[in-house]
Amino acid sequence: DGGITQSPKYLFRKEGQNVTLSCEQNLNHDAMYWYRQDPGQGLRLIYYSQIVNDFQKGDIAEGYSVSREKKESFPLTVTSAQKNPTAFYLCASKAQGHQPQHFGDGTRLSIL
Amino acid sequence: AQSVTQLGSHVSVSEGALVLLRCNYSSSVPPYLFWYVQYPNQGLQLLLKYTTGATLVKGINGFEAEFKKSETSFHLTKPSAHMSDAAEYFCAVSDENTNAGKSTFGDGTTLTVKP
Repeated sequence: DGGITQSPKYLFRKEGQNVTLSCEQNLNHDAMYWYRQDPGQGLRLIYYSQIVNDFQKGDIAEGYSVSREKKESFPLTVTSAQKNPTAFYLCASKAQGHQPQHFGDGTRLSIL
Repeated sequence: AQSVTQLGSHVSVSEGALVLLRCNYSSSVPPYLFWYVQYPNQGLQLLLKYTTGATLVKGINGFEAEFKKSETSFHLTKPSAHMSDAAEYFCAVSDENTNAGKSTFGDGTTLTVKP
């Protein structure tokens, strides 16, 4: 079955540590997205990529970095510069055109 | 800039009662509208979408939504709530032409279904 796989499901970060969240899709979608979800705040866009080797900052990119070396993969690194990283992180992908986004099951990041 | 407003962060209904979740949008061009559902600790799943054509859109699990341009609304309804409908619901607008494939999401409405 086609879909989006996020791993790990739960992740703990120590102070000063960078951590990387994985997002893989086999839907052959060109566009991929990372969102941060905090209670009562909906989804906030961190980064997005419309094509391999290209990506753009979203609304809250500070303290995060991404890469898009393969169409299937869009990993997100939460750097030590992100002072409040505790949140639920969602990855999504989308086909071209006015199509809905397909979401993974998320990674919950907490601070140790 | 486009935006989405979901009126009511929490809605509570009794099992069997009508579900009505409100969504208003603003967009400078014809909008493409979506409703998603999120169960705890999961990602979002598409319930239904409006692109063009018929303004009454039917989705999964008995949900439907009506696009009303004059009211800039896209409210989600279900005639009879089921316990399994308890979840968080998000309305979203997508403007492919100007926002590079991005969507703007509302803040979500948590639906509680009482037995």
